[in-house]
Amino acid sequence: NAGVTQTPKFRVLKTGQSMTLLCAQDMNHEYMYWYRQDPGMGLRLIHYSVGEGTTAKGEVPDGYNVSRLKKQNFLLGLESAAPSQTSVYFCASSSPGGVYEQYFGPGTRLTVT
Amino acid sequence: GEDVEQSLFLSVREGDSSVINCTYTDSSSTYLYWYKQEPGAGLQLLTYIFSNMDMKQDQRLTVLLNKKDKHLSLRIADTQTGDSAIYFCAGRNTGGFKTIFGAGTRLFVKA
Repeated sequence: NAGVTQTPKFRVLKTGQSMTLLCAQDMNHEYMYWYRQDPGMGLRLIHYSVGEGTTAKGEVPDGYNVSRLKKQNFLLGLESAAPSQTSVYFCASSSPGGVYEQYFGPGTRLTVT
Repeated sequence: GEDVEQSLFLSVREGDSSVINCTYTDSSSTYLYWYKQEPGAGLQLLTYIFSNMDMKQDQRLTVLLNKKDKHLSLRIADTQTGDSAIYFCAGRNTGGFKTIFGAGTRLFVKA
């Protein structure tokens, strides 16, 4: 099993450009999440999904959109990138029940100039 | 909403014990976790404790939970250089969809 994979690993954007980050999981998990990690601020939840076709806002959703058209994929879109969106983005997935352990991808480092 | 706080840095010598502390605000947190993040990688679950427990031991790791003070700690015995990482405290409610993470404590282990 590959677990949770993220594409791309690194990206540099100019202000105003758009991009999509792809997250894929092969564990048949219902729940998927997008976080951003900034120094001294830990992980902040951007959006999450509790099943195929559903999405919900997290703590810092502004400037981002998401889609979950297939259970195994969760896409994060930036329509018009801003320097404040420079961050490391992590995708995670989990199943309901048990201890709700979240499995994380390796991260995408995004720089917006 | 839930808030989770932890100190940002801890430095210890190899072979000593490390104690990383965390406080949380939501008394209804049912699951409390410690995640570890190694350089350049995502987070991995290290250990967890249920809110109805006071202590959990797993090899070199000991988790203590003080529900009255809403305080969680992670003790790593015989700390090794390979333990150098960022450790995140996190909490979750039963039936909730979200896990709330602290800012992470960066552990430095000096040889």
